[in-house]
Amino acid sequence: NAGVTQTPKFQVLKTGQSMTLQCAQDMNHNSMYWYRQDPGMGLRLIYYSASEGTTDKGEVPNGYNVSRLNKREFSLRLESAAPSQTSVYFCASKRGTGSDHGYTFGSGTRLTVV
Amino acid sequence: GENVEQHPSTLSVQEGDSAVIKCTYSDSASNYFPWYKQELGKGPQLIIDIRSNVGEKKDQRIAVTLNKTAKHFSLHITETQPEDSAVYFCAASRGGAGNMLTFGGGTRLMVKP
Repeated sequence: NAGVTQTPKFQVLKTGQSMTLQCAQDMNHNSMYWYRQDPGMGLRLIYYSASEGTTDKGEVPNGYNVSRLNKREFSLRLESAAPSQTSVYFCASKRGTGSDHGYTFGSGTRLTVV
Repeated sequence: GENVEQHPSTLSVQEGDSAVIKCTYSDSASNYFPWYKQELGKGPQLIIDIRSNVGEKKDQRIAVTLNKTAKHFSLHITETQPEDSAVYFCAASRGGAGNMLTFGGGTRLMVKP
């Protein structure tokens, strides 16, 4: 039972380069989320997908795009990386129905933009 | 939108002592309050949660209390152990289809043997 899998685990980019962070879950969850974690600032929501086929902006969406490829996969793309996007990125998923509100998080992608 | 504040940002206790972490929230419509534990190099893991129709919930050495009137909730860890050392996050949510969680800034708990 893998849960939420994120790739890559580490990445160094040069300013202006692009990359896609991958996330996949095997729990048949409906909702998926991308957060970034910066020191002293907790986790801030970048984008989310309440269900397959829908995506919405979160608190800090600028500089990012997302794709809900299918029910399992939710990718985050940086079109032109900036040093301000240096952070740890977490993907999470949630069943999305009933009383189960708990998120399951992946282990994170540590991104450095130089 | 929702704003969640968490205190303290760091907390150091002796093994066996109790630890308390407090959070306040701004949106009176929030009705779900989870706590996450994040160990070094890992993603956050849900350890306990409480819904607004309940004032207190316990799970072994961990308990959470909620005061809806004052809009604050707290995590209590009793008989702390070195393996409790981690960063703890509180969060709040209104629920709904997307159920977006708003997180506090985190508390780094250090349990000294």
